Amino acid sequence: DTGVSQDPRHKITKRGQNVTFRCDPISEHNRLYWYRQTLGQGPEFLTYFQNEAQLEKSRLLSDRFSAERPKGSFSTLEIQRTEQGDSAMYLCASSYLRTSSHEQFFGPGTRLTVL
Amino acid sequence: KQEVTQIPAALSVPEGENLVLNCSFTDSAIYNLQWFRQDPGKGLTSLLLIQSSQREQTSGRLNASLDKSSGRSTLYIAASQPGDSATYLCAASIIQGAQKLVFGQGTRLTINP
Repeated sequence: DTGVSQDPRHKITKRGQNVTFRCDPISEHNRLYWYRQTLGQGPEFLTYFQNEAQLEKSRLLSDRFSAERPKGSFSTLEIQRTEQGDSAMYLCASSYLRTSSHEQFFGPGTRLTVL
Repeated sequence: KQEVTQIPAALSVPEGENLVLNCSFTDSAIYNLQWFRQDPGKGLTSLLLIQSSQREQTSGRLNASLDKSSGRSTLYIAASQPGDSATYLCAASIIQGAQKLVFGQGTRLTINP
């Protein structure tokens, strides 16, 4: 068990470009979450998957954002036509539905800078 | 709508002191409450999780308590060390659906040698 991994760790892009981030959860964790954290703030919930089904999305997730979790394993988060306001740390977390605690374990994050 | 607040936003203490970080939440209907540590530019490390039916959890020098009726949780750090310097975040888990976490803004802790 190597924990939650995210790739890339850092991404610098120009405004208007598309970017895609990947998250690999802890194996056998069937719940996967995406959060966004801006400087000096706590993370904010973006979206949630149970297995391959995307069951909840925040109003923060505009139509430029799309997330997938094919086959219920890794997940990708794509941002189209990036804006400077998208600059943030994007965090992925996973948890196991069958434990009573539903503790969430976080990855190292992907820091996005939009120039 | 659940709101989580952490006070103070920043705290600086000399090494060796015992200290308490505070977290308050507006809706007592939570599934659990987690405390995390975040080092600059890094992800979140889970420190302690308290389920809604529990009153406290301990791990080493850390003790977290939960009082749902008053909407409060505290993180107690004993015999603080410079390596404890980090931002500490608390998060309340919503009961419905995804049990998504609602975070406070964090307390930035500095332990001075």
